[in-house]
Amino acid sequence: SAVISQKPSRDICQRGTSLTIQCQVDSQVTMMFWYRQQPGQSLTLIATANQGSEATYESGFVIDKFPISRPNLTFSTLTVSNMSPEDSSIYLCSVGAGGAGELFFGEGSRLTVL
Amino acid sequence: GENVEQHPSTLSVQEGDSAVIKCTYSDSASNYFPWYKQELGKGPQLIIDIRSNVGEKKDQRIAVTLNKTAKHFSLHITETQPEDSAVYFCAGKIQGAQKLVFGQGTRLTINP
Repeated sequence: SAVISQKPSRDICQRGTSLTIQCQVDSQVTMMFWYRQQPGQSLTLIATANQGSEATYESGFVIDKFPISRPNLTFSTLTVSNMSPEDSSIYLCSVGAGGAGELFFGEGSRLTVL
Repeated sequence: GENVEQHPSTLSVQEGDSAVIKCTYSDSASNYFPWYKQELGKGPQLIIDIRSNVGEKKDQRIAVTLNKTAKHFSLHITETQPEDSAVYFCAGKIQGAQKLVFGQGTRLTINP
């Protein structure tokens, strides 16, 4: 498995502002993903963070709202832009590691928008 | 695309009893089915997984079964303990794809 560190672990933000979440992995990984988990809900894939190219977004998520960077094989950031209370969620970084393609998750970043 | 349905949404069992959570999937091309445990305030933790070339896999008190014909798979926890209390998610992945599709989750409570 991989050790995945996310920052911040939680934050309270004002509507209209933006927040950048960082994900650091202790080893080089090919696949990195960002998921959203709304309160009491399941996990929904936002996008695949591609190293050296633009992220691949899932239906319902756009780059202007959730810009993603992936400068190298161990690090990625997700920005939640122009936040509204509906963006209050847990944002989770996930990586593909292990020889069989397992996915592992960070502890999440808990965002509350007032 | 793939759709994964999970039930029950909540499950309460007495300590020492067994717990079973079931999931169904829609795409017959799915070939990888992991289970995650999420404790309060933490990220999901991979606890067991199964691939479509086997029908059952066991790891101590946890087992997963897969019925490809019926397109359903189940998590079995035996001799439950209070620390098994958590939310459990099943997921499926289509062969050749990287995306995991998650079920809705089951909140398992173990009563002492």
